[in-house]
Amino acid sequence: GDSVTQMEGPVTLSEEAFLTINCTYTATGYPSLFWYVQYPGEGLQLLLKATKADDKGSNKGFEATYRKETTSFHLEKGSVQVSDSAVYFCALRAGHAGKSTFGDGTTLTVKP
Amino acid sequence: DAGVIQSPRHEVTEMGQEVTLRCKPISGHDYLFWYRQTMMRGLELLIYFNNNVPIDDSGMPEDRFSAKMPNASFSTLKIQPSEPRDSAVYFCASSSGTGADSNQPQHFGDGTRLSIL
Repeated sequence: GDSVTQMEGPVTLSEEAFLTINCTYTATGYPSLFWYVQYPGEGLQLLLKATKADDKGSNKGFEATYRKETTSFHLEKGSVQVSDSAVYFCALRAGHAGKSTFGDGTTLTVKP
Repeated sequence: DAGVIQSPRHEVTEMGQEVTLRCKPISGHDYLFWYRQTMMRGLELLIYFNNNVPIDDSGMPEDRFSAKMPNASFSTLKIQPSEPRDSAVYFCASSSGTGADSNQPQHFGDGTRLSIL
């Protein structure tokens, strides 16, 4: 079945550091890929998405590129801020399925 | 546009009581999902509906849990009787469907924080 493997956390960075959170997936067909972010006390919200190979999703300075050859969708940001502290979830949605498959989440803490 | 609306936001009740969580999905969305989130087990999919019909309830932990979707704008998750190990944050999410919309994300509510004493 479909699966998503995320880099284990927690991740602690200093403000303005470079961020990478790794995500790899296994799926049949051609899934759409997503990154969600969850701030304390809130539900998950979409951060960015990519729907086909080589697409780059971007939002709020975050980027991720759909790499079919390596089945990866790594999240990057060039300079993190304290306000980026949250839990980040990688997810996929296969075209034949209504549901999505989520990774375990990676907790990011950014210190001033 | 209104997002996914869940109620109540917080619920504290005693073991053995019935608990009912409510969800109003985004209008026009044809999928609805119920999740449970805990520190120990992370985010778990309990059940999901398509066009008000339950598609997969394999994540429902026990017969004490039941979910209904009587119409396109309302769903409930019920726990009867409740136990302390049911304490968690319960999320409802909705999304649009198949075909051209199959690449759409899920939209989550803010969750219900449930504490069973």
